[in-house]
Amino acid sequence: GIQVEQSPPDLILQEGANSTLRCNFSDSVNNLQWFHQNPWGQLINLFYIPSGTKQNGRLSATTVATERYSLLYISSSQTTDSGVYFCAVDLNYGGSQGNLIFGKGTKLSVKP
Amino acid sequence: KAGVTQTPRYLIKTRGQQVTLSCSPISGHRSVSWYQQTPGQGLQFLFEYFSETQRNKGNFPGRFSGRQFSNSRSEMNVSTLELGDSALYLCASSSPPGQGGPIKGTQRTDTQYFGPGTRLTVL
Repeated sequence: GIQVEQSPPDLILQEGANSTLRCNFSDSVNNLQWFHQNPWGQLINLFYIPSGTKQNGRLSATTVATERYSLLYISSSQTTDSGVYFCAVDLNYGGSQGNLIFGKGTKLSVKP
Repeated sequence: KAGVTQTPRYLIKTRGQQVTLSCSPISGHRSVSWYQQTPGQGLQFLFEYFSETQRNKGNFPGRFSGRQFSNSRSEMNVSTLELGDSALYLCASSSPPGQGGPIKGTQRTDTQYFGPGTRLTVL
C-alpha cells in the first residue's frame, strides 16, 4: 500500500522562528490534506492541497504531485502552534473515498 | 454551520463489554468516516459510510462495525472489548462533489472535517 512519511518526527523551536515540515508519499494521490492536532486531540484542517501552493496567514503549503511530496511552512511561530502536524492522503482507487492514510506526524514544540 | 459532534467524549469499559459511539456530521454532509488513533499505530482508517452504505473498510477485525442512518448520523460498535481497543476514536464528515457518490477518474474536492473524538479506555 501507499507509504506516507513525515519529517522531522520532532521539532523544537523558539517563538518567532520559521520551520518547514515535509511529507513524502509513494504513489499518485487525489487528495492531500494537512492537519494540526491540538493537545486535546482535535484534528483541525489546515489545507486541502493535492497540488500547487496555498497560503493562510502564517501558514503555507506546497504540493509537488509529480515528485510526490508536500511541504508545510510555518512562519513566525507562536506557542499556540505547538501540537502534532499530520499529512494525510487519499488514493481514491476506483472511486473509493473517505479513506485517508496518515503519516506518523511531526510533533512541534514552540518555546516562549 | 455546527461542526462534527461525537458522543460520548470519554468512556471507560472493561474487557469483554461492548460499546457504541455516535457521530453527527456537519449538516449537509453525507459521508462519514471513522478512524482509530493509538500511540503505537497512529491514525488508522476503520470504515466509511455514504447514504447508509458502507463503501470502504479498513483492516480491522469483525468486532468493529458501524452503520449510518438516513439523517447521515453514524454509529460504530465494538464488541468483546480488548485492552488494545483503548484509543481515541475520531469521525470525520465530508461533502463529495455533486453528492452523487464516487465519480471514477474525477479529482476529488472533499475535505474531511473531524470531530473532537471519543476517548475509550478499556480496563
